[in-house]
Amino acid sequence: QKEVEQDPGPLSVPEGAIVSLNCTYSNSAFQYFMWYRQYSRKGPELLMYTYSSGNKEDGRFTAQVDKSSKYISLFIRDSQPSDSATYLCAMSGLMRRDTDKLIFGTGTRLQVFP
Amino acid sequence: KAGVTQTPRYLIKTRGQQVTLSCSPISGHRSVSWYQQTPGQGLQFLFEYFSETQRNKGNFPGRFSGRQFSNSRSEMNVSTLELGDSALYLCASSWTSGSGGELFFGEGSRLTVL
Repeated sequence: QKEVEQDPGPLSVPEGAIVSLNCTYSNSAFQYFMWYRQYSRKGPELLMYTYSSGNKEDGRFTAQVDKSSKYISLFIRDSQPSDSATYLCAMSGLMRRDTDKLIFGTGTRLQVFP
Repeated sequence: KAGVTQTPRYLIKTRGQQVTLSCSPISGHRSVSWYQQTPGQGLQFLFEYFSETQRNKGNFPGRFSGRQFSNSRSEMNVSTLELGDSALYLCASSWTSGSGGELFFGEGSRLTVL
């Protein structure tokens, strides 16, 4: 079993839809949770960054962490064709931040059609 | 401010050959991490260098090696190439080591092994 599981998609939605992207994880030591967005032929770029449990909102994006269920989500409101990309969740522990490494999900490919 | 630069962007090799990939981090960043990205496995951590020292290593065979120079530029080498080494190799730089800082990714070097 992988430490981080993510549905690969593709997820295809119409413009304006609310999108929900999810990851589950098995390591209860994870404390930092991130979402990266990767456009085709580009490297990933950081989208959202959350520490421990709770919600964080940034414009049309909301990141949610439920540590009791080991489940994280990224919601995109009013989705746009420009949101079409692969979304990767990533997480790491807290014990040794200077040597901890990020563990990534495999990514969910999102397509938003006009 | 220039981003992370990786060279070459694309390369084709045959089994048994070796390859060297180069990464120039963002100016001022002292940490360079390398990841292998494949459709089935997603982003897998190879190793991280900070101030010319390897700080962390993923679960890859010894054929995968790296180094970092005094100007923070990094190279990774794969010897005795196998078909399964075909992947996108991503380099990421950060101002600090481990999970403490945001990772900035390059566009990657796409390696095809025939």
